[in-house]
Amino acid sequence: AQSVTQLDSQVPVFEEAPVELRCNYSSSVSVYLFWYVQYPNQGLQLLLKYLSGSTLVKGINGFEAEFNKSQTSFHLRKPSVHISDTAEYFCAVITGYSSASKIIFGSGTRLSIRP
Amino acid sequence: NAGVMQNPRHLVRRRGQEARLRCSPMKGHSHVYWYRQLPEEGLKFMVYLQKENIIDESGMPKERFSAEFPKEGPSILRIQQVVRGDSAAYFCASSPPGTGYSYEQYFGPGTRLTVT
Repeated sequence: AQSVTQLDSQVPVFEEAPVELRCNYSSSVSVYLFWYVQYPNQGLQLLLKYLSGSTLVKGINGFEAEFNKSQTSFHLRKPSVHISDTAEYFCAVITGYSSASKIIFGSGTRLSIRP
Repeated sequence: NAGVMQNPRHLVRRRGQEARLRCSPMKGHSHVYWYRQLPEEGLKFMVYLQKENIIDESGMPKERFSAEFPKEGPSILRIQQVVRGDSAAYFCASSPPGTGYSYEQYFGPGTRLTVT
């Protein structure tokens, strides 16, 4: 069975500092990986996705993530965070080959930015 | 180009009442998914529907919960005889039909259900 683990439930960071949010997955088949952001009282917005090709994926708002198959990781990074990045971030995985499959979400990492 | 719409945004029900949550997918989308988010947790898949068909309901509780996506109109998630444990945010997502592997699901703003 596939699963997604986000080891850090909360990550406090100072403004303009770099940040890395960790995500590990388990799956015996090929995966498609996603990061979503949820601002307070809002729905989820897709930050970036890995389907195939280059393992370094660039997303919106200056975020990027690297797919590491040997370590089964898909960590999210940003070189310099802003107050507006305060939100909850969810790593997610889809496995399977149908044209639409259910997403398995991690439990989320709350990113709080200190001025 | 309106996104995924959900209503109501907030719903309060007393124990034993019924809750009906509505989801209108993005224009042109024919796949709808429902997820539940309990406090301090990630989203959990509930059900995947296409027009007039339930494709995967492996995440739906066996009792009191049902979902439909009729030929016309929004998708409905129905919870009968609500209990306090049903209090959560319920999110709907949609994706376009056809081939391809974009796997991208577009999420609505959610309905926050509170059972008193």
